[in-house]
Amino acid sequence: GAVVSQHPSRVICKSGTSVKIECRSLDFQATTMFWYRQFPKQSLMLMATSNEGSKATYEQGVEKDKFLINHASLTLSTLTVTSAHPEDSSFYICSAKIPGIGETQYFGPGTRLLVL
Amino acid sequence: AQSVTQLDSQVPVFEEAPVELRCNYSSSVSVYLFWYVQYPNQGLQLLLKYLSGSTLVKGINGFEAEFNKSQTSFHLRKPSVHISDTAEYFCAVILGSGGSYIPTFGRGTSLIVHP
Repeated sequence: GAVVSQHPSRVICKSGTSVKIECRSLDFQATTMFWYRQFPKQSLMLMATSNEGSKATYEQGVEKDKFLINHASLTLSTLTVTSAHPEDSSFYICSAKIPGIGETQYFGPGTRLLVL
Repeated sequence: AQSVTQLDSQVPVFEEAPVELRCNYSSSVSVYLFWYVQYPNQGLQLLLKYLSGSTLVKGINGFEAEFNKSQTSFHLRKPSVHISDTAEYFCAVILGSGGSYIPTFGRGTSLIVHP
């Protein structure tokens, strides 16, 4: 099956620093990847849709200057949390679709971010 | 727009007992339906999906779900649960025609299997 990886799996940083999270599709090329945020005991909240070679599409209420997304290749999308603050602490999950098979998303294992 | 309702936030059950996790959706057009499982501190794993055809869908780990169009439901069932089935379960829906194939997730149901 399709495998999506994320790195790092968990990160702790100081307030004010920037953190980059990588999402990779390991055995397929993904023209579209998605970034979600999940608060404890809650469902996934879509943050943005990452399109290879073009700008990401952000959901309403998500600050594009705060959460920078780069989808530079068909197998890699990155999410950078700039000037992180404690309220950015969360579980970030990416997913990817197989081109031509649009209805199923494959999820990465998630990244736990803790901002002190 | 579509929406998904998972009626139970938490379902406790004893090991080897049957379980049903409920999911209802609302949409005026055809939909694709999914169940995902999330173990602690992990991402989501696809359990099963309904795209078309037979309304009874079998997935991994002995789970199955039945699509009921008249009741707009897609309940997840397992005849005998194991301790290892303890996890969070999410129902999701995608519009079946056009659109961006972005799923809408339910709030999740925590399945707790007791020995």
